Amino acid sequence: DAKTTQPPSMDCAEGRAANLPCNHSTISGNEYVYWYRQIHSQGPQYIIHGLKNNETNEMASLIITEDRKSSTLILPHATLRDTAVYYCIVRATYYGGSQGNLIFGKGTKLSVKP
Amino acid sequence: GAGVSQSPSNKVTEKGKDVELRCDPISGHTALYWYRQSLGQGLEFLIYFQGNSAPDKSGLPSDRFSAERTGGSVSTLTIQRTQQEDSAVYLCASRFGGSETQYFGPGTRLLVL
Repeated sequence: DAKTTQPPSMDCAEGRAANLPCNHSTISGNEYVYWYRQIHSQGPQYIIHGLKNNETNEMASLIITEDRKSSTLILPHATLRDTAVYYCIVRATYYGGSQGNLIFGKGTKLSVKP
Repeated sequence: GAGVSQSPSNKVTEKGKDVELRCDPISGHTALYWYRQSLGQGLEFLIYFQGNSAPDKSGLPSDRFSAERTGGSVSTLTIQRTQQEDSAVYLCASRFGGSETQYFGPGTRLLVL
């Protein structure tokens, strides 16, 4: 899987938008950008993924640059419960085999403050 | 519906003892993964089951680790002769066959004294 680079930590005020960047300059054409988060003492939680178009769901928005070398996860109105480590993962689609396992880096520790 | 469940949630054992960790995937999910997360570290892939195919065991750190998945549903990860370095959170995830998204359980926190 392509390597991703994320800032180790970020702060965000409660109620404001949290914008989490991710660089993936070596991404291949068939690789998707995935975001997971891990709240303390819980298992990772899927947030969103995309290929090249911007995506939005009930949790977040994903903005992918036109050259696909970077992306931003946006939490539109951060709450204290959004405090977690956010992982950006780049990987190709797969049809079985160990290619399916996720490779998590260090992620970004987001602290939402009152 | 119910998510992925794991048991026990916490396990303390003595060095040299065997432990069994259980994972109940989401009903209908054909793929099941085991990962390990040591304190402050990222996830380490251990083993992957897909339907009736032979499991991918490429991530198992030693022959003390084994896993099975009975009936294509519940999975058990067994660690024999536990060592202190086995202390970690063991996470299970499942995935529907046609989907890319993995759903994780809450993990089992293993402490080997």
